[in-house]
Amino acid sequence: GQNIDQPTEMTATEGAIVQINCTYQTSGFNGLFWYQQHAGEAPTFLSYNVLDGLEEKGRFSSFLSRSKGYSYLLLKELQMKDSASYLCAVADSNYQLIWGAGTKLIIKP
Amino acid sequence: IAGITQAPTSQILAAGRRMTLRCTQDMRHNAMYWYRQDLGLGLRLIHYSNTAGTTGKGEVPDGYSVSRANTDDFPLTLASAVPSQTSVYFCASMSGTGNTGELFFGEGSRLTVL
Repeated sequence: GQNIDQPTEMTATEGAIVQINCTYQTSGFNGLFWYQQHAGEAPTFLSYNVLDGLEEKGRFSSFLSRSKGYSYLLLKELQMKDSASYLCAVADSNYQLIWGAGTKLIIKP
Repeated sequence: IAGITQAPTSQILAAGRRMTLRCTQDMRHNAMYWYRQDLGLGLRLIHYSNTAGTTGKGEVPDGYSVSRANTDDFPLTLASAVPSQTSVYFCASMSGTGNTGELFFGEGSRLTVL
């Protein structure tokens, strides 16, 4: 079956760096997405990786290794507003998006 | 403001009743999707539409139906609601159809079936 694994919850300190991992097993691969979802709100797009390597966008970076079925989202200079759930999703061979359950990130002062 | 509008934002419904969740987008996107989100699970695709006039089944289509009469509207209907359909429902759209673009989500409809 198809599977996306990410930690259920993580805690980090304001101003620090946190890495949220995502591993996947899918039938085919057409890209990996990260979305941010604040409690009670809709998910919003953060990043898309289809080739191996690191994509940097301000304080957020996303890394992909297709051979390892692995990605991470790196958040630097954490702010209280970064407290949210982070969703990992993979587009399979049919371009269907398979979603992880999300990682709830708690930021402490 | 351009985007996706869902209605209602919240609804309590008796089991067995019929319910339609409305979704309208003004971005002229071709592809539209309905997801449900339950605690501890990833977003699960109910139905999708790659373009006006076409629809397809997702991962969990049973008990739901959709229509796509035009580009902007994509309503989701529960013909006879059951308690297991208690969930938060998100409508989303994408400018392309290859699922390699950014998904834009509505604010969600929280449905409780008693």
